[in-house]
Order: sequence, then structure tokens, then C-alpha cells
Amino acid sequence: AQSVAQPEDQVNVAEGNPLTVKCTYSVSGNPYLFWYVQYPNRGLQFLLKYITGDNLVKGSYGFEAEFNKSQTSFHLKKPSALVSDSALYFCAVRSPRSNTDKLIFGTGTRLQVFP
Amino acid sequence: DSGVTQTPKHLITATGQRVTLRCSPRSGDLSVYWYQQSLDQGLQFLIQYYNGEERAKGNILERFSAQQFPDLHSELNLSSLELGDSALYFCASSQDRDADTQYFGPGTRLTVL
Repeated sequence: AQSVAQPEDQVNVAEGNPLTVKCTYSVSGNPYLFWYVQYPNRGLQFLLKYITGDNLVKGSYGFEAEFNKSQTSFHLKKPSALVSDSALYFCAVRSPRSNTDKLIFGTGTRLQVFP
Repeated sequence: DSGVTQTPKHLITATGQRVTLRCSPRSGDLSVYWYQQSLDQGLQFLIQYYNGEERAKGNILERFSAQQFPDLHSELNLSSLELGDSALYFCASSQDRDADTQYFGPGTRLTVL
């Protein structure tokens, strides 16, 4: 069965410091991995995805994520956090072997960036 | 703005009632997905339609149904509503090529009193 784990409910970081939001996955075969961000009272906004190729994926708003097959991880990173990055972040996975296109989401990590 | 629109934005209704949520996908997208976001269940896939046909079903209750129309907009019908159906309901769309990104609408917040 496919699954995604986001082990931290909340991550706190000072503005200007690097941030990491963790995600690990379990899926058959090579995964398709996604990060979405949800601001209060808003829908989910797509940040980036890994399908194949370079393990380091760059996305919107200066975010990037590194696919690590041996550790089955896809952590989201940003070199310098902004207060405006404070939001709820979701990691999601889809297996190309699945007979559906549905995304399996993690439980979300709330990122709080302090001035 | 993702290009996916959902109406209404908010819906307040009573137990036992029936409501319809509407979604218009991005231009050119053939697949529409419905997800439910609740505090206890997180984000759960409900159902997917592709070009008017049901493609996949997830954790969708029998009281819930959906359809996709020839113009590709979709409706999610929720009936015999219970308090536990209160949630944020998202629609997403994609072009339905392999590994396509799903783009989400702003959601409909349903409150059942």
C-alpha cells in the first residue's frame, strides 16, 4: 500500500535561516512525489514535483526538494526562510503502477517562520 | 490562481439535507478529482472522472455521488448529510498525461449543523 509520512506536525524556524520539512514515502516501484502548500482559507498550491532525473528538484518561491531513493525521502528545503512562508505543507505520492491517479497525502506540517 | 474554480465557497446546512458542490477544471484538463479535507481524516481522495467517465473511486460514501458533464465541469452531490460530513471539499484537475500535476481549486467549506 502507498503511504506518506510527515513526522513533524510543526516546524519552527527564524526568518533568514534555512528550513527543512521532512517527508518519507512507501510505494511500489518508482514514485511520483509532490509538495503542496496551503495558506489559511486557501486551496492547495503546487510547489514542485519529482518524476525522474535529477534528484534535486527546484520549485516555486525558492523551494527545492531532494529525492533520496535509499532513504525513501523527499524533504522540502529552502535556504532562507521568509515570514510569508508560514503555512501548512503537504507531501504527496502517486505510484505509476497504481490503477488510479489519486494522490496519497501526508498529514501535513505546519511551518512557522518567526521574524 | 490555479485556474480551477469551485462554488460555493461556503455552505451551511442541516443534517439530513442534500447539497451540490460544483467544480470547473482548468481549460484543457480532462481529469477532475474530488478530495475531502477534515481534521480527523486529513486529505482523502474521493473520486476521479476522466472526460465524463468515472475512472477511480476512493473513500467515497454511498451517500455521495459525482458526475462530470460534457463541458467537463463536475458536481459532487452529498445527501443525507451528517455532522461528520463537515469538511473542506477540494476539486483538482489535470491533463491526464502520465505524472501530470493536479491543480487544486480553492475548496468549498461545508458545515453541517
